[in-house]
Amino acid sequence: AQKITQTQPGMFVQEKEAVTLDCTYDTSDQSYGLFWYKQPSSGEMIFLIYQGSYDEQNATEGRYSLNFQKARKSANLVISASQLGDSAMYFCAMRPISGSARQLTFGSGTQLTVLP
Amino acid sequence: SAVISQKPSRDICQRGTSLTIQCQVDSQVTMMFWYRQQPGQSLTLIATANQGSEATYESGFVIDKFPISRPNLTFSTLTVSNMSPEDSSIYLCSVEDVLAGRETQYFGPGTRLLVL
Repeated sequence: AQKITQTQPGMFVQEKEAVTLDCTYDTSDQSYGLFWYKQPSSGEMIFLIYQGSYDEQNATEGRYSLNFQKARKSANLVISASQLGDSAMYFCAMRPISGSARQLTFGSGTQLTVLP
Repeated sequence: SAVISQKPSRDICQRGTSLTIQCQVDSQVTMMFWYRQQPGQSLTLIATANQGSEATYESGFVIDKFPISRPNLTFSTLTVSNMSPEDSSIYLCSVEDVLAGRETQYFGPGTRLLVL
């Protein structure tokens, strides 16, 4: 079984500053993938970034980076130079890489508000 | 990445009726997933739909309530049957795809359902 924990129900950040959204996970799988998604008020789920458990380097995608600490079982999302359009709900998710169970397990989400 | 469309984007329905949600992908995919997101909650997997076989339902979801069709590798439908107000949610379909040589998972824009 897999479990994702996001302990920050809400976060505020000033425009142009960086913010870190926390995510810890628990799994018995040896190989797994970690994902972050953004959900604006429109409801769509926007894929942001992916980190494989076997990746030695932290993933980066533009202003998004994933601070992956395998020993601590954490996969925090860092957003640099926050923009007003970053205000949304952010979900951390994971799934095993091998096997037939390909579905994602989601955390409870963090509501990010960027202040002007 | 795969482009996913869903119909309808939103609907308001009366209790006791049924609604069929369509999910169309612009490329052939093996696995499609249907998720439900109740108001203020995270995403919960309803079922996994593979072409040519019966859908696999998660605990708490049954085929009589959420029948799924998967007639080919680019299309699936989810029916919400005999609806009650508790079925008011966002319903999202999702597919696996490959991004930069890695499998990831993309979501459709979602269907917002309100049951009166």
